[in-house]
Amino acid sequence: QVQLVESGGGLVKPGGSLRLSCAASGFTFSDYYMSWIRQAPGRGLEWVSYISSSGSTIYYTDSVKGRFTISRDSAKNSLYLQMNSLRAEDTAVYYCARVRGTVTNHYYYYYAMDVWGQGTTVTVSS
Amino acid sequence: QSALTQPASVSGSPGQSITISCSGTSSDVGDYNYVSWYQQHPGKAPKLMIYEVSNRPSGVSNRFSGSKSGNTASLTISGLQAEDEADYYCSSYTRSSTPVVFGGGTKLTVL
Repeated sequence: QVQLVESGGGLVKPGGSLRLSCAASGFTFSDYYMSWIRQAPGRGLEWVSYISSSGSTIYYTDSVKGRFTISRDSAKNSLYLQMNSLRAEDTAVYYCARVRGTVTNHYYYYYAMDVWGQGTTVTVSS
Repeated sequence: QSALTQPASVSGSPGQSITISCSGTSSDVGDYNYVSWYQQHPGKAPKLMIYEVSNRPSGVSNRFSGSKSGNTASLTISGLQAEDEADYYCSSYTRSSTPVVFGGGTKLTVL
């Protein structure tokens, strides 16, 4: 069945780095945009980043620009999030999700995230 | 990019209907029919309930419906059931440098 499984979370000190992975199965991974979304303890959902099916188009939320890097490997059906210069405010459950969108006039419009992983917990603390 | 605005909480009794609002701007909800809604039970991953304002994915109960008027989208749940108690989030495409925005979330309590 269609499934996303995240891994790589853990406890890291401020300023440290972590690499999250998301293994996809049950669908043609290379056909879909993919995204990372996070949820701080007791808080709401916050979109972090997404990457196009080819990997050529990438967007980040402002608070992670220059620190986080999203990437994908279609041969391994995997999505990644390299997180550097981590801060306490990056503490959250990180979810990967499959993105649904539509292309109009060569422009991609996101309209849903229809498959979500179970999440992996990142804790930034000294 | 500012988050979409949702009420912090709503409540209703079993069998009743409730509506959760999601207020945006002309840069997101008002200008695009790319609003989605997600249900999240405690400790669980979010689940897509509505996409493109009013479309239901396969397997989602028809008690869930979506609509939009101007800059505000709404999720209506009819015939409330105990299992509907959860957090609900709206999201939209947004015409900005960061193309995805979520609402702050609404906690639904079934009395």
